[in-house]
Amino acid sequence: DAGVIQSPRHEVTEMGQEVTLRCKPISGHDYLFWYRQTMMRGLELLIYFNNNVPIDDSGMPEDRFSAKMPNASFSTLKIQPSEPRDSAVYFCASSLMSAAGANVLTFGAGSRLTVL
Amino acid sequence: GDSVTQMEGPVTLSEEAFLTINCTYTATGYPSLFWYVQYPGEGLQLLLKATKADDKGSNKGFEATYRKETTSFHLEKGSVQVSDSAVYFCALTPFSGGYNKLIFGAGTRLAVHP
Repeated sequence: DAGVIQSPRHEVTEMGQEVTLRCKPISGHDYLFWYRQTMMRGLELLIYFNNNVPIDDSGMPEDRFSAKMPNASFSTLKIQPSEPRDSAVYFCASSLMSAAGANVLTFGAGSRLTVL
Repeated sequence: GDSVTQMEGPVTLSEEAFLTINCTYTATGYPSLFWYVQYPGEGLQLLLKATKADDKGSNKGFEATYRKETTSFHLEKGSVQVSDSAVYFCALTPFSGGYNKLIFGAGTRLAVHP
């Protein structure tokens, strides 16, 4: 398996533009997570899905952020309109819940977003 | 709520020095504990894990023991290498049937010099 695939790796955009980040999880994994990493706030969980259904979106900062998972092999995180404070590295991760209850996340390489 | 506290970095060591990165947690029940590592420009990857009290996780010369009495999961390595320079994250997942969410600490940056 190629691991978790994220695109784009780098995105530079202007304030007010729409940004779409994409993620392809590992085949067979039933959980998908979106995290945001900044120097000031560290790693923040934005939203996670189980079997394509959003379970917890309490970390989504505001209505400008939305995430979808139309099928088991694809998810998007959209920011509209984008603002400079959205600049961060966005990570997608996937996992398979084991019977023991312990989960191991596999992270993608991240999408570095810069909003000017 | 559940939380993880790590020692602040950066930690700067010479090659072959002994490493300890402290991690303590607050959680109800019996969480599973993890150490993840992030190399420059990459995503996080699992380094080791422990799922019950007194378990010892180990990988690549790193070890951590799940201590329920002190609610700790300190990361140790006997002899670090320059290639170990990275950011290390302690994390827990609450054991609550069907619940699947990692809670990360703030991360500790390790810099190893030749």
